[in-house]
Amino acid sequence: NAGVMQNPRHLVRRRGQEARLRCSPMKGHSHVYWYRQLPEEGLKFMVYLQKENIIDESGMPKERFSAEFPKEGPSILRIQQVVRGDSAAYFCASSHGAGNYGYTFGSGTRLTVV
Amino acid sequence: TQLLEQSPQFLSIQEGENLTVYCNSSSVFSSLQWYRQEPGEGPVLLVTVVTGGEVKKLKRLTFQFGDARKDSSLHITAAQPGDTGLYLCAGAKSSGGGADGLTFGKGTHLIIQP
Repeated sequence: NAGVMQNPRHLVRRRGQEARLRCSPMKGHSHVYWYRQLPEEGLKFMVYLQKENIIDESGMPKERFSAEFPKEGPSILRIQQVVRGDSAAYFCASSHGAGNYGYTFGSGTRLTVV
Repeated sequence: TQLLEQSPQFLSIQEGENLTVYCNSSSVFSSLQWYRQEPGEGPVLLVTVVTGGEVKKLKRLTFQFGDARKDSSLHITAAQPGDTGLYLCAGAKSSGGGADGLTFGKGTHLIIQP
């Protein structure tokens, strides 16, 4: 009964490259959320997706960031032309229904831009 | 923008002592969740409180949701080194739909010294 699986755990990219972060939700969960955590800051909501649909992307930067949750396969958070300020821990969470009663988080992907 | 203020930011106490951490906001939340996060890992859900005035107990941990659903507290009795971690509170704005994600506080870093 695997939990939320994120990969890779660590990702190093040079400035200008693309970063692709993957998230497989818990079995039976159809709601996926992406959060970003910077040192000394709280988790910041980025985007909420259900299968094939973006429900709320109010926390996503307008440029370079995109997310998808296809019918088959994991959810992908894509960051194009990464900059040093993108370095952070990115967490994915999933829930069975709308996550007002609690999420299950993955272990995160730590992105370092050099 | 809804904000959740957690206090204290850092707390270091001796094993066996009691402690309380607080989570305050000027906004009303439909539910409030507490998570614990260890270094290098994702947050783990401890409890969700929904009703104003609600009290929930989880072994030595007692969680309370304020009557007005704007604040919450976490009380730990007879703290143990295994309680060490980052404690996060998170509020849900909507009671359904899950839009907007959760608003997280910056957390309380708790260290229990043997």
